Amino acid sequence: GAVVSQHPSRVICKSGTSVKIECRSLDFQATTMFWYRQFPKQSLMLMATSNEGSKATYEQGVEKDKFLINHASLTLSTLTVTSAHPEDSSFYICSAREKRETPQFFGPGTRLTVL
Amino acid sequence: GQQLNQSPQSMFIQEGEDVSMNCTSSSIFNTWLWYKQDPGEGPVLLIALYKAGELTSNGRLTAQFGITRKDSFLNISASIPSDVGIYFCAGYMDTGRRALTFGSGTRLQVQP
Repeated sequence: GAVVSQHPSRVICKSGTSVKIECRSLDFQATTMFWYRQFPKQSLMLMATSNEGSKATYEQGVEKDKFLINHASLTLSTLTVTSAHPEDSSFYICSAREKRETPQFFGPGTRLTVL
Repeated sequence: GQQLNQSPQSMFIQEGEDVSMNCTSSSIFNTWLWYKQDPGEGPVLLIALYKAGELTSNGRLTAQFGITRKDSFLNISASIPSDVGIYFCAGYMDTGRRALTFGSGTRLQVQP
């Protein structure tokens, strides 16, 4: 149980285009989903927290208009990187949890490369 | 910024050896979690701890929730090559912050 999928696993796009990443909890209902960014050899950096049906809470320094998050249902959250630039290239990972203070389960990650 | 100190940063050991890593904080935690991340993958939950003093095992892995609620350790016994990866501690702080706080990770390499 507790499986989280993420799609796509890898995406290469041109500078200026927008990219959407989907995160799904497959066997549980996720009241809260999280989006992280990870640079090589570093820990996970939380970007935003989203609860189903409400606006995401962004961490300090994360641009809301650049990283659009939608949590439309209890099993799906999407992250859209708008007008992507090479500096947005990174490994993006989502996680989901069923209830407060229960473990977060992570997706397999999406490798974004912006040319 | 990160409020969890995880050590060691990296370890290079021989197959069969035991491994120990820990996380400490100046803050109190309600939950401690240990994850393993393989290259190019998302972290996978290994062990979850919910009470001070709790000692939990998962196969060759054992983790403990420190009695002060400010630390946790993870032990791996009789390491094997597939134990290679990055191990992260994480926890929910007592402040009520909704998201996990992560340690900086311990990179483990196992020599066959």
